[in-house]
Amino acid sequence: SQELEQSPQSLIVQEGKNLTINCTSSKTLYGLYWYKQKYGEGLIFLMMLQKGGEEKSHEKITAKLDEKKQQSSLHITASQPSHAGIYLCGAGSLDSNYQLIWGAGTKLIIKP
Amino acid sequence: KAGVTQTPRYLIKTRGQQVTLSCSPISGHRSVSWYQQTPGQGLQFLFEYFSETQRNKGNFPGRFSGRQFSNSRSEMNVSTLELGDSALYLCASSLIGGRNTGELFFGEGSRLTVL
Repeated sequence: SQELEQSPQSLIVQEGKNLTINCTSSKTLYGLYWYKQKYGEGLIFLMMLQKGGEEKSHEKITAKLDEKKQQSSLHITASQPSHAGIYLCGAGSLDSNYQLIWGAGTKLIIKP
Repeated sequence: KAGVTQTPRYLIKTRGQQVTLSCSPISGHRSVSWYQQTPGQGLQFLFEYFSETQRNKGNFPGRFSGRQFSNSRSEMNVSTLELGDSALYLCASSLIGGRNTGELFFGEGSRLTVL
């Protein structure tokens, strides 16, 4: 079955530094979503990528989907305490028309 | 525009009891999906409803069930609770659902503790 692998599992970054989170699939991704979650709360939509080579940015966060549509990266520039949280990638399942699958998440801690 | 509302936010049950969780989607959204989130397993898909019909179900035992009403509000029920059912249960709504759903709007979740 299709799975999404996120790396790293956790990340501690000094405030002001840049960082990258990766999401990899063994199969072609059918749409790729990035969400952010504060501990114990719901998920907040960040971006959706659909086309190979697509790149989107919002404020200091940039997400890219590679040409083969099997890997996506999320890059944060000049990190701030507000960026702390858990980042999850999700994708449309190739096994079902009505399901999204999710990575395990990357826990990001920003050191002041 | 009101967001996705989940109730209750927190609840404590004992083994063997049952629980019902409620989700009110964003107005106009016809798709509601449910997820279980635990530290060990991450976000696991439970089921998805669209216009009162269950379109897909995840790999969970029959103790987990759900339904959707004509106003798109949804409930999920867990019977004969086990310790392993302790988790954050998240509900998400969208216009059309499915794998090409676009943005999913999540509620704050219902945190269930089973003692």
